[in-house]
Amino acid sequence: GNSVTQMEGPVTLSEEAFLTINCTYTATGYPSLFWYVQYPGEGLQLLLKATKADDKGSNKGFEATYRKETTSFHLEKGSVQVSDSAVYFCALSDWEYGNKLVFGAGTILRVKS
Amino acid sequence: DSGVTQTPKHLITATGQRVTLRCSPRSGDLSVYWYQQSLDQGLQFLIQYYNGEERAKGNILERFSAQQFPDLHSELNLSSLELGDSALYFCASSVGSGRETQYFGPGTRLLVL
Repeated sequence: GNSVTQMEGPVTLSEEAFLTINCTYTATGYPSLFWYVQYPGEGLQLLLKATKADDKGSNKGFEATYRKETTSFHLEKGSVQVSDSAVYFCALSDWEYGNKLVFGAGTILRVKS
Repeated sequence: DSGVTQTPKHLITATGQRVTLRCSPRSGDLSVYWYQQSLDQGLQFLIQYYNGEERAKGNILERFSAQQFPDLHSELNLSSLELGDSALYFCASSVGSGRETQYFGPGTRLLVL
């Protein structure tokens, strides 16, 4: 079945450091890919998405490119802030079965000032 | 604020009991999805409804059931509760049943004692 693998955390960075969170997927067909973020004590918020190969999703300084050849959707940000501390989830849409989302395990990001 | 509302925010109950979680989708959205987030299983898709009809089913236990009403709100019923059912339950909604983005509510945190 379809699956998503994320790098394990926690990832601890200093403010203004460069961030990469790796995400690879296994899927039949051509899923859409998403990054969701969960701040402490809150629900999931859509961070960015990409719907086809080579698409780049971007939002709030975060970027991710849909790479079909490497089945990857790595999340990057050039300069992190303390307020970016959260759990980040990579997900794919299994649209051949309704539209369910298949999530990775999540990566905890901690940014220190 | 995603526009998806869930009640209650917190629920504490005892083993063997039954509870009902409620979700109101964003205005105009016809699909509702339920997900369970637990420490050991991560984020798991439970079930999807589209315009009142069940569209897709995931890892939902037989003790759990859901429905979507004519006004499009949805309820998730959990019965014969066990300690392992303690989790965060999210509802999400989307416009249709295809590749649309899902928007998540703040979740209901269930604690079974």
